[in-house]
Amino acid sequence: AQSVTQLDSHVSVSEGTPVLLRCNYSSSYSPSLFWYVQHPNKGLQLLLKYTSAATLVKGINGFEAEFKKSETSFHLTKPSAHMSDAAEYFCVVSDSLNTGNQFYFGTGTSLTVIP
Amino acid sequence: DTGVSQDPRHKITKRGQNVTFRCDPISEHNRLYWYRQTLGQGPEFLTYFQNEAQLEKSRLLSDRFSAERPKGSFSTLEIQRTEQGDSAMYLCASSSQLRNTEAFFGQGTRLTVV
Repeated sequence: AQSVTQLDSHVSVSEGTPVLLRCNYSSSYSPSLFWYVQHPNKGLQLLLKYTSAATLVKGINGFEAEFKKSETSFHLTKPSAHMSDAAEYFCVVSDSLNTGNQFYFGTGTSLTVIP
Repeated sequence: DTGVSQDPRHKITKRGQNVTFRCDPISEHNRLYWYRQTLGQGPEFLTYFQNEAQLEKSRLLSDRFSAERPKGSFSTLEIQRTEQGDSAMYLCASSSQLRNTEAFFGQGTRLTVV
């Protein structure tokens, strides 16, 4: 079975400081992993995805994530937070894009950026 | 490519009424998903179509809920005899098996049952 655990429900950082949003996954297969962002009253937007290629994945808006199989983790990072990064972030796992199975969402991490 | 569109964006209904939502996926995407999101929670899977076939349904999808994708293009989600607990954001997503893509989400339909 597949599942995702987002270790922090809320993260608060000062503008210009690094961001770390933590995610651990459980998967019976070689997983595909994603980070989505949801701004208030907006749709879910893909930040980045891992699909068994390079383990360090670069996404939009300066975000990165590293797939660590030994730790079953896929933490999201950004070197310097911007006010516009304040949003809800979801870590998502899927068995494999080939099988088309459902996407399993974590419960989300709310990021606050302090000016 | 205009993305995934959902209609209506908002729906307020009285308890016991039936409601139907529509989702138009990205045109070349053959996979379509329905999710439900309540306040402060991540989206929960409801059901999934590959072309016109409904391949998977969550246990969350009670017999009051039904989804169709008759021609493998747009999809509808109907909730019969709505209850206050059905109040949520209903999200539709689509993806392409051929291009091996992630899920692209629509803006959602916010349902309020009063």
